[in-house]
Amino acid sequence: AQTVTQSQPEMSVQEAETVTLSCTYDTSESDYYLFWYKQPPSRQMILVIRQEAYKQQNATENRFSVNFQKAAKSFSLKISDSQLGDAAMYFCAYRIPGGGADGLTFGKGTHLIIQP
Amino acid sequence: DGGITQSPKYLFRKEGQNVTLSCEQNLNHDAMYWYRQDPGQGLRLIYYSQIVNDFQKGDIAEGYSVSREKKESFPLTVTSAQKNPTAFYLCASSVIHGYEQFFGPGTRLTVL
Repeated sequence: AQTVTQSQPEMSVQEAETVTLSCTYDTSESDYYLFWYKQPPSRQMILVIRQEAYKQQNATENRFSVNFQKAAKSFSLKISDSQLGDAAMYFCAYRIPGGGADGLTFGKGTHLIIQP
Repeated sequence: DGGITQSPKYLFRKEGQNVTLSCEQNLNHDAMYWYRQDPGQGLRLIYYSQIVNDFQKGDIAEGYSVSREKKESFPLTVTSAQKNPTAFYLCASSVIHGYEQFFGPGTRLTVL
């Protein structure tokens, strides 16, 4: 079974600084998707960024970027120029494209605090 | 506006009672999912459906049941057999084998 591990239950960063959230995963598959979701206090899940395993280039979405290390099974999220609105729970997730079993496998999350 | 709606937002139930959580989507997505979230935990998959009249168990299906009679709707019933039903429940949908799952706003279920 696939597992996703987020080793940082909580992180704190000063506004405008850069922070990196860690995620590792365990899988025997060669093709899969990885995601970072944000869950603010409203509890609405919001997709931040996604990465296809077959792509070597790291995904970037404005201030959010990932460091995808396939051999190490690592998928960290970097948030640049942190803003107060970035404060939320961040979940790393994994999914196998196609096939039988479906659905996302989530890590336990990292609570990100932004200090003004 | 396209999206996913879940109702009610808050739900209270007495022990021993079954309760049904609603999930409706107008995104024309074939696949729908139910997840459970507990404090300090990520989301865990309860059930999913890739097509009308068909659904599959996820990782924690015991004590839950679902139906998929319409493409737009995927209700979840929390039965009295579920030992710890108090949790936050999230519904999601996607195109078949698509990248992204779109989530509803969730239902907070509390067993009194």
